[in-house]
Amino acid sequence: GAGVSQSPRYKVAKRGQDVALRCDPISGHVSLFWYQQALGQGPEFLTYFQNEAQLDKSGLPSDRFFAERPEGSVSTLKIQRTQQEDSAVYLCASSLARLQAYGYTFGSGTRLTVV
Amino acid sequence: KQEVTQIPAALSVPEGENLVLNCSFTDSAIYNLQWFRQDPGKGLTSLLLIQSSQREQTSGRLNASLDKSSGRSTLYIAASQPGDSATYLCAVSVGGTSYGKLTFGQGTILTVHP
Repeated sequence: GAGVSQSPRYKVAKRGQDVALRCDPISGHVSLFWYQQALGQGPEFLTYFQNEAQLDKSGLPSDRFFAERPEGSVSTLKIQRTQQEDSAVYLCASSLARLQAYGYTFGSGTRLTVV
Repeated sequence: KQEVTQIPAALSVPEGENLVLNCSFTDSAIYNLQWFRQDPGKGLTSLLLIQSSQREQTSGRLNASLDKSSGRSTLYIAASQPGDSATYLCAVSVGGTSYGKLTFGQGTILTVHP
């Protein structure tokens, strides 16, 4: 597609429920990032994939967070046993190259509300 | 740890004014700096990307400067319009990685009123 697509746009989860957030990057984009944006804050890095390899997961806040990109295209961010502090917008971004010289295209995000 | 600060947190101006948004970062070992725009309920749109070897970039009414040694960047918006109302985010790439992990500021909420 023309841009980075994320689904669902909105998700309401009861505390303790598992959720899965999907990101479809631009076709052919090697690099894929997940960021978490709390209300009124800037995005914070969660994890990075280069093709199917997860090269950096240092930003994942706990072992309840898990991300995968098995075929090097679509990525899924899974949150187990959701808690209220997980409420945020989850943004996905992709880039054509693995080097930093290129900018990123961000998706519109998934707004997760844990009640 | 890299920290990015944006000043002011919010800004309200009448249409037609020229304005400056400020961004500072604590670690000068960056690869590049980007300015993004975020509209309510939307993702981020990249406005300008400045490599660490560059001093400024321009796009239309926007001009961004970078002073890496002092850890500062400014985004200048000329002749502001109501359509410029949005949150503006500054982000620096983390040094020491090849893939561009970004550290963001908290943003400046800009309102341009007619």
